[in-house]
Amino acid sequence: DVKVTQSSRYLVKRTGEKVFLECVQDMDHENMFWYRQDPGLGLRLIYFSYDVKMKEKGDIPEGYSVSREKKERFSLILESASTNQTSMYLCASTPAGELADTQYFGPGTRLTVL
Amino acid sequence: QKEVEQNSGPLSVPEGAIASLNCTYSDRGSQSFFWYRQYSGKSPELIMSIYSNGDKEDGRFTAQLNKASQYVSLLIRDSQPSDSATYLCSAGNNRLAFGKGNQVVVIP
Repeated sequence: DVKVTQSSRYLVKRTGEKVFLECVQDMDHENMFWYRQDPGLGLRLIYFSYDVKMKEKGDIPEGYSVSREKKERFSLILESASTNQTSMYLCASTPAGELADTQYFGPGTRLTVL
Repeated sequence: QKEVEQNSGPLSVPEGAIASLNCTYSDRGSQSFFWYRQYSGKSPELIMSIYSNGDKEDGRFTAQLNKASQYVSLLIRDSQPSDSATYLCSAGNNRLAFGKGNQVVVIP
């Protein structure tokens, strides 16, 4: 059974803080993704990674960076958090092969930036 | 930008009825199509995948794909209150795009 975990379910930070969101998957998946989900805007892809130390920008990468030092772990970094980054953040992973494969989602982190 | 459209508003169906959800996609090269269910405050979970034209049935769920019309649909038969959720359509080739979702409310 695929398991994707995220470091926090709820997080409250202040404007200007550096924020780390961690995602870990236990199924040896090659591909990992970070999305944010906002009412009326749906799921939007921030960054994805198809291999260790590899990363690609998604549709809304501005204000974010990522790190993938180990295959099972994909971190999302908000260098200087702003109130417009208040959102639900979802991590997902897919096996090797096509990036457009079944995505297994983590439970999500609801981030509030004050 | 490749898009997936789910245009219909919230859908209310009586318990036991059929719920029908529709989705169109812009990328004609899309090869993979999925329906996810998302309960309020939870993350999306896969309920159906479909890769070729036609129908695919899994329990009370049927997915229908028409690549010529760039159209995917989901039917939920014998709707139950536990089916009340938001349903996300996704499509893609080398990357998935997601629709904004359709809320389904099953009325007991």
